[in-house]
Amino acid sequence: NAGVMQNPRHLVRRRGQEARLRCSPMKGHSHVYWYRQLPEEGLKFMVYLQKENIIDESGMPKERFSAEFPKEGPSILRIQQVVRGDSAAYFCASSPRDSPMNTEAFFGQGTRLTVV
Amino acid sequence: RKEVEQDPGPFNVPEGATVAFNCTYSNSASQSFFWYRQDCRKEPKLLMSVYSSGNEDGRFTAQLNRASQYISLLIRDSKLSDSATYLCVVNRKAAGNKLTFGGGTRVLVKP
Repeated sequence: NAGVMQNPRHLVRRRGQEARLRCSPMKGHSHVYWYRQLPEEGLKFMVYLQKENIIDESGMPKERFSAEFPKEGPSILRIQQVVRGDSAAYFCASSPRDSPMNTEAFFGQGTRLTVV
Repeated sequence: RKEVEQDPGPFNVPEGATVAFNCTYSNSASQSFFWYRQDCRKEPKLLMSVYSSGNEDGRFTAQLNRASQYISLLIRDSKLSDSATYLCVVNRKAAGNKLTFGGGTRVLVKP
């Protein structure tokens, strides 16, 4: 009965490289959310996905960032040509399919991206 | 104006004391409310949902004031282990069920 699994837990990339962050939701959950947390700041919504669909990407930067949640496999948050300002903790959360409004979302342990 | 606002603190609380803090939300169509707790460098975890009539879970009491658009969290008999950042979270169906987080209120309980 695994929870939300994110990997890697820590990721170091040089400026200009690509970062790929993976999130496997809890079993039976088909809604995935990605949040970014900069040091000493709160969580900022990035994107909300259901299987094979992006529902809301209003928090995604216009360039370099993309997300997917394929029919099979984990959700992927991809950051191309990383810059130092991308250094942050990236949290994934999942919630059940057709969840009522007052259902909580469960968070993974996060991926800490450091751009050097 | 941010959709969800919190006093960042820190609230320095003597062990055994009571502490309370609020969170304001700007969208009157907000429908669901939660308090999450986040320990340093860890993932957020649900502390409690906030119901219209207010609700209590042990030493924690949550209240919702729709007229003034705020929710509150009260912690009685504070323990050292209550030291954490408390995140106010709001949900609107029109926003596609995404959870909107406040910046968090930091609480430090000291002996």
